[in-house]
Amino acid sequence: GAGVSQSPSNKVTEKGKDVELRCDPISGHTALYWYRQSLGQGLEFLIYFQGNSAPDKSGLPSDRFSAERTGGSVSTLTIQRTQQEDSAVYLCASSLALRGGWVFGPGTRLTVL
Amino acid sequence: RKEVEQDPGPFNVPEGATVAFNCTYSNSASQSFFWYRQDCRKEPKLLMSVYSSGNEDGRFTAQLNRASQYISLLIRDSKLSDSATYLCVVNNRDDKIIFGKGTRLHILP
Repeated sequence: GAGVSQSPSNKVTEKGKDVELRCDPISGHTALYWYRQSLGQGLEFLIYFQGNSAPDKSGLPSDRFSAERTGGSVSTLTIQRTQQEDSAVYLCASSLALRGGWVFGPGTRLTVL
Repeated sequence: RKEVEQDPGPFNVPEGATVAFNCTYSNSASQSFFWYRQDCRKEPKLLMSVYSSGNEDGRFTAQLNRASQYISLLIRDSKLSDSATYLCVVNNRDDKIIFGKGTRLHILP
């Protein structure tokens, strides 16, 4: 596709359930980031993939969060045993080169009841 | 000191006025700089890159001051449609990008 896509666009889940969020980056983009944004707040870095290098997981808030990127393309962010404070918009971005601009997907709005 | 700092605003500016905001960064090794725009409940979108020599795109001018470690964004002849949050983005050598918290701009009719 022409841009970064994310699915689902909205997810409502009950506290304690696991969720999977998907990101399809722009074809050929080697770098992929996950961020989350709570209402009215700034972007919080979660994890970063670059090519075949080990991902930078320094932003993951707890061990309930994990992410993988298969074949250097699609990425899945998994949140286990969701908590209400996990409610946020989860944004994925990809880029081609070090100095390139990053293109964001539309985000997944996660609501944990 | 935070890695990237911005005045959160809001800046309330009458239509047609000129507005400028700055962003400071702490890592002197930072390599590239950008301004992103984020509309309410939307994803951030690239507004413009910031080059050492300064660059202009229509009503928007971006500048970089490496000695003082800040970048700026100037908007001339502001339009109602310029109302948004403007995010400063810094890219370090390890390709990790750091976002500022954003500056909210409201253009008043």
